[in-house]
Amino acid sequence: AQSVAQPEDQVNVAEGNPLTVKCTYSVSGNPYLFWYVQYPNRGLQFLLKYITGDNLVKGSYGFEAEFNKSQTSFHLKKPSALVSDSALYFCAVRRNSGYALNFGKGTSLLVTP
Amino acid sequence: ETGVTQTPRHLVMGMTNKKSLKCEQHLGHNAMYWYKQSAKKPLELMFVYSLEERVENNSVPSRFSPECPNSSHLFLHLHTLQPEDSALYLCASSQDRQVYGYTFGSGTRLTVV
Repeated sequence: AQSVAQPEDQVNVAEGNPLTVKCTYSVSGNPYLFWYVQYPNRGLQFLLKYITGDNLVKGSYGFEAEFNKSQTSFHLKKPSALVSDSALYFCAVRRNSGYALNFGKGTSLLVTP
Repeated sequence: ETGVTQTPRHLVMGMTNKKSLKCEQHLGHNAMYWYKQSAKKPLELMFVYSLEERVENNSVPSRFSPECPNSSHLFLHLHTLQPEDSALYLCASSQDRQVYGYTFGSGTRLTVV
């Protein structure tokens, strides 16, 4: 079954520092990978996706993610964190059937001033 | 607003009540989904509808009953729920059956007392 793992429950970073939120995947075949963000009392918002092509994917709000096939990872990154980036981040992978996505448990990002 | 609207935003119900959650999208999407979000757990896919046909049902208890009368509307009918069913219920839609990303609603926060 297609699955993703987010090993960190929480990531803390100071404003202005680079941030990384980790995600590893387990799939058969080519992975279709996604990152979503959830702000308090809101649904999930799409950040970026990897389908094929360049391993470095750029997304919304200055976020990017690097697809690494040898390490089966798809880490989310941002060069300079903002306090407003504090939220819950979810990694996801498309299921084999093509219908629907499987999500990780989420990583809470806290950016302190 | 993302284009996917969920009502109500909050719902408190007793274990013997019957209630329904509503999801509506005006994005012209062909597939709709129900997910359950509980703290510190991966999002749980409950139901998938594609072109108004249920294509996936992930061992969800029968006290949850979905309905998709047309491609713009999705309901989740609830009856005789348990306290452990308290969670955030998220609706999402996607353009195609083969998923390249979702648009989520803001969710319904359900509390079963």
